[in-house]
Amino acid sequence: DSGVTQTPKHLITATGQRVTLRCSPRSGDLSVYWYQQSLDQGLQFLIQYYNGEERAKGNILERFSAQQFPDLHSELNLSSLELGDSALYFCASSGRLAGPNWDEQFFGPGTRLTVL
Amino acid sequence: ELKVEQNPLFLSMQEGKNYTIYCNYSTTSDRLYWYRQDPGKSLESLFVLLSNGAVKQEGRLMASLDTKARLSTLHITAAVHDLSATYFCAVEKETSGSRLTFGEGTQLTVNP
Repeated sequence: DSGVTQTPKHLITATGQRVTLRCSPRSGDLSVYWYQQSLDQGLQFLIQYYNGEERAKGNILERFSAQQFPDLHSELNLSSLELGDSALYFCASSGRLAGPNWDEQFFGPGTRLTVL
Repeated sequence: ELKVEQNPLFLSMQEGKNYTIYCNYSTTSDRLYWYRQDPGKSLESLFVLLSNGAVKQEGRLMASLDTKARLSTLHITAAVHDLSATYFCAVEKETSGSRLTFGEGTQLTVNP
């Protein structure tokens, strides 16, 4: 158990709908990362937040957005869903980002999204 | 743009045999990771390699890093069925916000 929690575990929805995925980082971790794993694209980085602020953006679609709240949990919002958005979405968290006391990322169990 | 390539992508081997998975990356990096993923499950961290010449071993798995060649290897010794999984390498650059860039993954099947 990495200490990172994600809800829900599974989500089935229809095209055009909007969903919210939730992530709670490990206790004390300030940084949250979102990754998407699909058969087409493999594992790819979407977005990172650090202590409430967006820090880095990857291949995240404009239909997707995220935020990190004051209690450090994060939500990934996916809207106008398409069949191709079906994937496993992982959240990871870490403490320090750089320097000699860097901290590796720990992954949550993932949310499997199925768009029908 | 940082690219990470693994080979082979599929590996079927017999129990007791040895094999190596290769991971090449295109630009300098700060850390290299190896992960294991079982079907439908999360990523389990196996090794973190920090510097040139780093070698780490855990059980039947050994990982090494050559930063000059931008190459990491994951060597499997005397494979057993329980090692069947997908293995990913990932590269991290602090200047890119410490995001991980993953290879395509190597799907390993160990046959009795």
